[in-house]
Amino acid sequence: AQSVTQLGSHVSVSEGALVLLRCNYSSSVPPYLFWYVQYPNQGLQLLLKYTSAATLVKGINGFEAEFKKSETSFHLTKPSAHMSDAAEYFCAVSVGGTSYGKLTFGQGTILTVHP
Amino acid sequence: EPEVTQTPSHQVTQMGQEVILRCVPISNHLYFYWYRQILGQKVEFLVSFYNNEISEKSEIFDDQFSVERPDGSNFTLKIRSTKLEDSAMYFCASSEAPGLDFGQGTRLTVV
Repeated sequence: AQSVTQLGSHVSVSEGALVLLRCNYSSSVPPYLFWYVQYPNQGLQLLLKYTSAATLVKGINGFEAEFKKSETSFHLTKPSAHMSDAAEYFCAVSVGGTSYGKLTFGQGTILTVHP
Repeated sequence: EPEVTQTPSHQVTQMGQEVILRCVPISNHLYFYWYRQILGQKVEFLVSFYNNEISEKSEIFDDQFSVERPDGSNFTLKIRSTKLEDSAMYFCASSEAPGLDFGQGTRLTVV
């Protein structure tokens, strides 16, 4: 079974500051890992994914994440926060193969960006 | 850009009634999914669908739930006899490769 823990249900940063959203996973097999973003009253939008290729993954809107197997982590970063980054962010894991779409989500982290 | 569309955006139903949530996946996608998010809880997998049959389902997806692809474009989730605890946001998703495309969701309120 897989599980995801997102450390911090709320993160607040200043505009222009580094964004760091933490995600740790548990998986008995090599995982696929994903970050999704949800803006108010919208669906889940894929930011980036790790599927066993390069461990540093770049996504949309300047976000990136690094897969660290030894730390079972997949933290999301962005060098400089923008006001438009304010949203809820979800980390998710799956086992890959034909079950790649069966995602286990973390509880989400609400990112607030203040001027 | 193609997207997954869901209707209605919000549905209110009385306990015990049947509801059908509708989704139009991205046209060239072959895998379809339903997820739900109860207020304040995690997004949870319900079911995956491929080649006109269920490929996986969670323990949540019991006999009161069913899915169907009635034609070449729609994908539906039916809840036969709704309960108060079925109140949630239901997300449809589709994919052709790892990384699902989600719809905007249907908020189901059971009263």
